[in-house]
Amino acid sequence: SQQGEEDPQALSIQEGENATMNCSYKTSINNLQWYRQNSGRGLVHLILIRSNEREKHSGRLRVTLDTSKKSSSLLITASRAADTASYFCATDEGDYKLSFGAGTTVTVRA
Amino acid sequence: GAGVSQSPSNKVTEKGKDVELRCDPISGHTALYWYRQSLGQGLEFLIYFQGNSAPDKSGLPSDRFSAERTGGSVSTLTIQRTQQEDSAVYLCASSLVLTGRDGYTFGSGTRLTVV
Repeated sequence: SQQGEEDPQALSIQEGENATMNCSYKTSINNLQWYRQNSGRGLVHLILIRSNEREKHSGRLRVTLDTSKKSSSLLITASRAADTASYFCATDEGDYKLSFGAGTTVTVRA
Repeated sequence: GAGVSQSPSNKVTEKGKDVELRCDPISGHTALYWYRQSLGQGLEFLIYFQGNSAPDKSGLPSDRFSAERTGGSVSTLTIQRTQQEDSAVYLCASSLVLTGRDGYTFGSGTRLTVV
């Protein structure tokens, strides 16, 4: 079953702008992960944030986690055409399998 | 290997036929997962293997689906008597740590089309 829900479903931005997407989930988690998928094929792991962390950075990515609101956000700064992809949040509830949301499709216009 | 390898990359089959999808995980990764992704949707968990433990089959949608993992390495997902609703991309992933705390590594998937 899907635990995470991403918002918005789709996002279109100009190259150089920032892209922000949100993920809400229902139950307590050990960690939350963000993945990128190009062209409907394999997913690439971007970043993992643990339940006791509030913010994490990796290059142009910034992830926040608010466990009281059961939500997370992914910010991509200074977007590039290569960032065009679908982005998924996935939650680890401690039962060794990740639950994925339906994703946010990001289009970066040149 | 350097990554998770899945084969075939594409498979078109007639309704009612059986299909086998293969996944070769990263060497040394003890955990292996199968997910299914229908068009424009998120990932649906199917089955999980960890070492020599009994697999978690709780996500398999029907008894037409089965999977095995030989020697703790290569896994095969078998779908018997395929139906059109089985059409999807089947993704395999592996991880080093039991709960995937360091993230999963996904293969490129097998796109299954049942006609």
